Amino acid sequence: EVQLVESGGGLVQPGGALRLSCSAAGFTFSTYTMYWVRQAPGKGLEYVSTISSDGGSTYYADSVKGRFTISRDNSKNTLYLQMSSLRAEDTAVYYCVKEKGSGSYYFDYWGQGTLVTVSS
Amino acid sequence: DIQMTQSPSSVSASVGDRVTITCRASQGISSWLAWYQQKPGKAPKFLIYAASSLQSGVPSRFSGSGSGTDFTLTISSLQPEDFAIYYCQQANSFPITFGQGTRLEIK
Repeated sequence: EVQLVESGGGLVQPGGALRLSCSAAGFTFSTYTMYWVRQAPGKGLEYVSTISSDGGSTYYADSVKGRFTISRDNSKNTLYLQMSSLRAEDTAVYYCVKEKGSGSYYFDYWGQGTLVTVSS
Repeated sequence: DIQMTQSPSSVSASVGDRVTITCRASQGISSWLAWYQQKPGKAPKFLIYAASSLQSGVPSRFSGSGSGTDFTLTISSLQPEDFAIYYCQQANSFPITFGQGTRLEIK
């Protein structure tokens, strides 16, 4: 059974930093592209970032480019999102998401999400 | 960026009804489209990919169609567990984008 478990969310002041982690199990993590998708309270889904299976390629939404860094440790089956220069508009539930495969850009499994609140 | 627009934004229906939700892309995306279902406080659930392919384990009352810019999600006979928010997503190119969601409510 595929499991994705996020951690690291919490309350942070504007301008602060936070690192999210996602522990993966139940599939061969090292062979799948992974994503972060977020959802502001009461709002829709927003794509955040992508990392290829080997970590060699990354992509970011314009809204987070230059502030967020996605990475992965395939030896630990763990995905990360380093967030810095946080803004109020970054407040959201952050989901770790697995790609269905073969560069499909479809999201077949989602974690339960971790809430990031940016506020003074 | 490709904009995805869903209609309606909300719909009320009864158990047993047939419901159709529409998603329109701002430019052609072939069949690179997915649908997700989200219930309150839960992560989205993957329903349909490639516009019309049903993900394993999803009930057959869900179906998808369309290509190019216009797509539909149809639920043939609503069940109580189907009341949720539905999102479309384009999988054609980065940045990946979602529709704003359609809330399916009980009448």
